[in-house]
Amino acid sequence: SQTIHQWPATLVQPVGSPLSLECTVEGTSNPNLYWYRQAAGRGLQLLFYSVGIGQISSEVPQNLSASRPQDRQFILSSKKLLLSDSGFYLCAWTVDRGPLSLHFGNGTRLTVT
Amino acid sequence: KNQVEQSPQSLIILEGKNCTLQCNYTVSPFSNLRWYKQDTGRGPVSLTIMTFSENTKSNGRYTATLDADTKQSSLHITASQLSDSASYICVVSRYGNNRLAFGKGNQVVVIP
Repeated sequence: SQTIHQWPATLVQPVGSPLSLECTVEGTSNPNLYWYRQAAGRGLQLLFYSVGIGQISSEVPQNLSASRPQDRQFILSSKKLLLSDSGFYLCAWTVDRGPLSLHFGNGTRLTVT
Repeated sequence: KNQVEQSPQSLIILEGKNCTLQCNYTVSPFSNLRWYKQDTGRGPVSLTIMTFSENTKSNGRYTATLDADTKQSSLHITASQLSDSASYICVVSRYGNNRLAFGKGNQVVVIP
């Protein structure tokens, strides 16, 4: 069966520090991978998506970047965190078969202080 | 304007009672609609998915309905349990590019 791992679960970082959140998927190959941010009282916002190794599409201009060094690994990064980067970050995956079936990780709660 | 609107934003219900959550959308052309349950501090988990031709879909005590003509969906929770306390998110997929539009969620709190 397919599983998705996302870590760390919580993170507190000072302003100006770097960030690296990792997400890996098991049990499937060539998944589409996504990074979402969820702010309190707001819907999920798509940040990045990837349809293959090294292929990254950005949805919104921001202080973050994403990379996909391996087929089932997706990394969210920042060189210098801002206070506004605080939020709940969710990684998700799907495959292009049948109705879109989006599976989420358990998220990372990032607090920038 | 958000393409997916959910109501009520939040509600409190007594354990054992039923409740209904609403989702109105403007996404077009429509592909499918999914309801997710998100426990606090966790990722969303899919409850139901409905395509254009489906009117009702059940998953245990959860029953989702879809009226593609009026672009409305509802999620009915029967005999609520404390574990039903969560945010319920309506997600609509656009036909063709599979772009997703997310509602802000219905926050449900079940009290004993």
